[in-house]
Amino acid sequence: GAVVSQHPSRVICKSGTSVKIECRSLDFQATTMFWYRQFPKQSLMLMATSNEGSKATYEQGVEKDKFLINHASLTLSTLTVTSAHPEDSSFYICSSRDSSYEQYFGPGTRLTVT
Amino acid sequence: AQKITQTQPGMFVQEKEAVTLDCTYDTSDPSYGLFWYKQPSSGEMIFLIYQGSYDQQNATEGRYSLNFQKARKSANLVISASQLGDSAMYFCAITFGNKLVFGAGTILRVKS
Repeated sequence: GAVVSQHPSRVICKSGTSVKIECRSLDFQATTMFWYRQFPKQSLMLMATSNEGSKATYEQGVEKDKFLINHASLTLSTLTVTSAHPEDSSFYICSSRDSSYEQYFGPGTRLTVT
Repeated sequence: AQKITQTQPGMFVQEKEAVTLDCTYDTSDPSYGLFWYKQPSSGEMIFLIYQGSYDQQNATEGRYSLNFQKARKSANLVISASQLGDSAMYFCAITFGNKLVFGAGTILRVKS
């Protein structure tokens, strides 16, 4: 199956700083990438959908100015958590989709804000 | 809007036995896809099986099979011959346009 990488896998940052998470599709061109957030023992909640070269579409309740998404190429999307606070601590997972129905998930990034 | 319901927060199964994880859904779209994913403690999402709404046969992938009952809007996952490595969180998901909507998940524990 297709491979999606995420970097970093874990990050600890101080409150008020910004953190960038990268999501790359390694062996296919992803027309659409998705960003999810998952709290412990809970389900994945879609934050936003990004298409290469256009603005991301955010789900209701997700602050677009806080969670900046850039999808500059068909293989790379980035999520920047700006002015992070402890309540932003979570597991962030990206997925990529080619022209088929299947989504390929990255391994996730565990963010801890102190 | 699409809705996915997994009513079993946690399940136990004896090693080598079969287990069924429940999933019901609600959608007004005639064309949709249903997925099951496994998420071990490492956090990665592992694709298990897919069923399209127009597929006539129930999907099977090795020890995984999907009991698709379209009229009842259910898509239960059956894992045969459970192994200790099957212990994980399992999510059912349904397509909504180009998005996926996930259920709350079921934690499966396999006992030796």
